[in-house]
Amino acid sequence: DAKTTQPPSMDCAEGRAANLPCNHSTISGNEYVYWYRQIHSQGPQYIIHGLKNNETNEMASLIITEDRKSSTLILPHATLRDTAVYYCIASERSNDYKLSFGAGTTVTVRA
Amino acid sequence: GAGVSQTPSNKVTEKGKYVELRCDPISGHTALYWYRQSLGQGPEFLIYFQGTGAADDSGLPNDRFFAVRPEGSVSTLKIQRTERGDSAVYLCASSFFRSGGLNEQFFGPGTRLTVL
Repeated sequence: DAKTTQPPSMDCAEGRAANLPCNHSTISGNEYVYWYRQIHSQGPQYIIHGLKNNETNEMASLIITEDRKSSTLILPHATLRDTAVYYCIASERSNDYKLSFGAGTTVTVRA
Repeated sequence: GAGVSQTPSNKVTEKGKYVELRCDPISGHTALYWYRQSLGQGPEFLIYFQGTGAADDSGLPNDRFFAVRPEGSVSTLKIQRTERGDSAVYLCASSFFRSGGLNEQFFGPGTRLTVL
């Protein structure tokens, strides 16, 4: 699986959009980008995934650059409950049963 | 519906002892996963079951670790001769298995293991 790089931490204001970057410059053509998050003292929770097109669901939007070397997870209206560690993972669909979480980005939403 | 449950939520043991950690997956999920999370780090994959069989156990750190899922539902992670370095949160997840499709993993709250 391609290595991903995320900033260790970031703050954002409640009610504003949170934009979480992820670099995956060595991603291969058949590797998807997955995002999970982990709220304190809970197990990780799936957010969204994509291959090359932008994706949106009820939780977030995923923007993948045209060259696929980076992506951004967007939480459109951050709430205090979105405070968590966010993990960006690159994996082939056939390997997505063994997620490589890395250190993630600790996102703190402030009132 | 009920999510993934893990018992116990906390386990304190002494170095050298044997421990068992239990995972009850979401009903109907055929795939089950174990991960280990050390303090300040992301979860690390241990083993993956499809039904009753271990499809990939490449993440188990050594032969002191073993996991079973005899009836394709509940799973037990077993650690023999525990060491202080085994202290971590052990996470279990389950999913439907869709060949070629997203295997969204639903995680339990974990078991915090402390080896004194």
